[in-house]
Amino acid sequence: AQSVTQPDIHITVSEGASLELRCNYSYGATPYLFWYVQSPGQGLQLLLKYFSGDTLVQGIKGFEAEFKRSQSSFNLRKPSVHWSDAAEYFCAVVSYQKVTFGTGTKLQVIP
Amino acid sequence: KAGVTQTPRYLIKTRGQQVTLSCSPISGHRSVSWYQQTPGQGLQFLFEYFSETQRNKGNFPGRFSGRQFSNSRSEMNVSTLELGDSALYLCASSLTQVQNTEAFFGQGTRLTVV
Repeated sequence: AQSVTQPDIHITVSEGASLELRCNYSYGATPYLFWYVQSPGQGLQLLLKYFSGDTLVQGIKGFEAEFKRSQSSFNLRKPSVHWSDAAEYFCAVVSYQKVTFGTGTKLQVIP
Repeated sequence: KAGVTQTPRYLIKTRGQQVTLSCSPISGHRSVSWYQQTPGQGLQFLFEYFSETQRNKGNFPGRFSGRQFSNSRSEMNVSTLELGDSALYLCASSLTQVQNTEAFFGQGTRLTVV
């Protein structure tokens, strides 16, 4: 069965610092990979997605993610974090029309 | 164009009752998926409907059911509510099936079972 692991439950970074959120997946073939962000009390917003092709994908709000097949990873990065980036981030895998989400990483941004 | 609309936004129900949640997808989208979000279990997939047919189902008891209408609107029903059903229920719509298209999420329905 497919699974997604986000090893960091909570991350705190200073505004302006770089950010990397980790995501590892378990799946036999190349999955469809997504990163979503959820602000308190809101639904999920898609940041970026990977289906195939270039392993470095650009998303909205200055985010990017790199697919590394050898490490079964799809880490999310941002070079300079803004206070408005404080939210919860979810990595997701889609295969056989079923979506599996990671447990999420809560990002706190300090001034 | 309008986003995914979920109604109601908040619900309080008593244990043993049943509840129906509604989701109106983005115009033109034919796939609707439902998810349950709780602090303990995270985001869990409930089921997906495409062209009025349930295409996939997560690991939830039969008390959880759904349907999709010809206009793609979807409803989710939970019967014999339990305290553990308290959660944020999210609906997402996609142009086609969820496999390789972007899913747009609604703001969710917060269900509290007392």
